[in-house]
Amino acid sequence: GAVVSQHPSWVICKSGTSVKIECRSLDFQATTMFWYRQFPKQSLMLMATSNEGSKATYEQGVEKDKFLINHASLTLSTLTVTSAHPEDSSFYICSATQQGGWTEAFFGQGTRLTVV
Amino acid sequence: GEDVEQSLFLSVREGDSSVINCTYTDSSSTYLYWYKQEPGAGLQLLTYIFSNMDMKQDQRLTVLLNKKDKHLSLRIADTQTGDSAIYFCAESGGSYIPTFGRGTSLIVHP
Repeated sequence: GAVVSQHPSWVICKSGTSVKIECRSLDFQATTMFWYRQFPKQSLMLMATSNEGSKATYEQGVEKDKFLINHASLTLSTLTVTSAHPEDSSFYICSATQQGGWTEAFFGQGTRLTVV
Repeated sequence: GEDVEQSLFLSVREGDSSVINCTYTDSSSTYLYWYKQEPGAGLQLLTYIFSNMDMKQDQRLTVLLNKKDKHLSLRIADTQTGDSAIYFCAESGGSYIPTFGRGTSLIVHP
């Protein structure tokens, strides 16, 4: 299947700083990318959906000013956690789809964010 | 209650069959999925089934769907230690964006 790569795999940052997570589709053009957050022993919670070249659509309860999503190209989407706090520590996963229809979506390996 | 529910843990002996169960509430679900997540990794789509099907088999994997009861199961035949992971059930309707369950941790012991 197609490959979606996230970078970094893990990051530790100080409280109050910002951190950027990249999601790349390596061998296909991703018209839509999704960002999820996963707490330990919890399910994946969809944070936002982003289409290339347009503003992301955020799920209810997700602060768009805190979790900045950019999908400037068909192969790259970024999630920036601004002014991070310890409660933002989580596992963030992106997925990307080329043609829509979920069976064509592929997941990145995830990024473990720890805010100290 | 949650939209997609799964038991949190399942322990089986190597070589036995594993059956992971899932229930969902959305009667308009179109697709139902099973994903596998290994430690520290993203999700891998194992298999999916359309809502108008009641069974799908793919090598060691068998998916059964009871649409009336909104019950989905994943059977893994001849379970191996490499099958140890978290298995997520998910369903989606017209938007194609799935709702995930909390995941079932499958532990395979010798």
